[in-house]
Amino acid sequence: DAGVIQSPRHEVTEMGQEVTLRCKPISGHNSLFWYRQTMMRGLELLIYFNNNVPIDDSGMPEDRFSAKMPNASFSTLKIQPSEPRDSAVYFCASSLRQENSYEQYFGPGTRLTVT
Amino acid sequence: SQKIEQNSEALNIQEGKTATLTCNYTNYSPAYLQWYRQDPGRGPVFLLLIRENEKEKRKERLKVTFDTTLKQSLFHITASQPADSATYLCALGTPGGGADGLTFGKGTHLIIQP
Repeated sequence: DAGVIQSPRHEVTEMGQEVTLRCKPISGHNSLFWYRQTMMRGLELLIYFNNNVPIDDSGMPEDRFSAKMPNASFSTLKIQPSEPRDSAVYFCASSLRQENSYEQYFGPGTRLTVT
Repeated sequence: SQKIEQNSEALNIQEGKTATLTCNYTNYSPAYLQWYRQDPGRGPVFLLLIRENEKEKRKERLKVTFDTTLKQSLFHITASQPADSATYLCALGTPGGGADGLTFGKGTHLIIQP
């Protein structure tokens, strides 16, 4: 099992540019989560999907952020336009939503730097 | 608002001793609580889950307690080893108990000194 796959691993972009982060969850998992981690705020939930449907996007900071999950094996998080304060590590996680099984499996993260 | 507190300062423990990490929360009634380990440059890795109706859960050298009255969880590593050095995060599940997004503490950096 390859685990959760994220790309790119590092992204450096200039303010105002569009950034797209990609995630491939573990095969068979039906829940997908996007988190953001900074030193100041720690690990924060941005949005999560169950069976490809967005359930809770209350953590998405602004309309500049959007996420999609067109199928069970792929999700994107887009920032348009990007700002320096968006610099952080973005993690994707997946889980198998079933009774008594709530652990989440995290990808390696994408380190985003907006200059 | 919900608040989760973990020791923000690094915890230094001598090898072989028991390391105890604390997670306190307010304004929240989670159905379960999870502990994760995070190494530098990597994503968090799940360690243990404990439910609101459980007092204690063990896995090898790890032990977690959950006191819903005190709103506190303790995470113990017995016979600690330098390889246990990492940041440990506690995370709260939703009151409904579903497999929803987690609310994380900022983590405690544990250093096991040989």
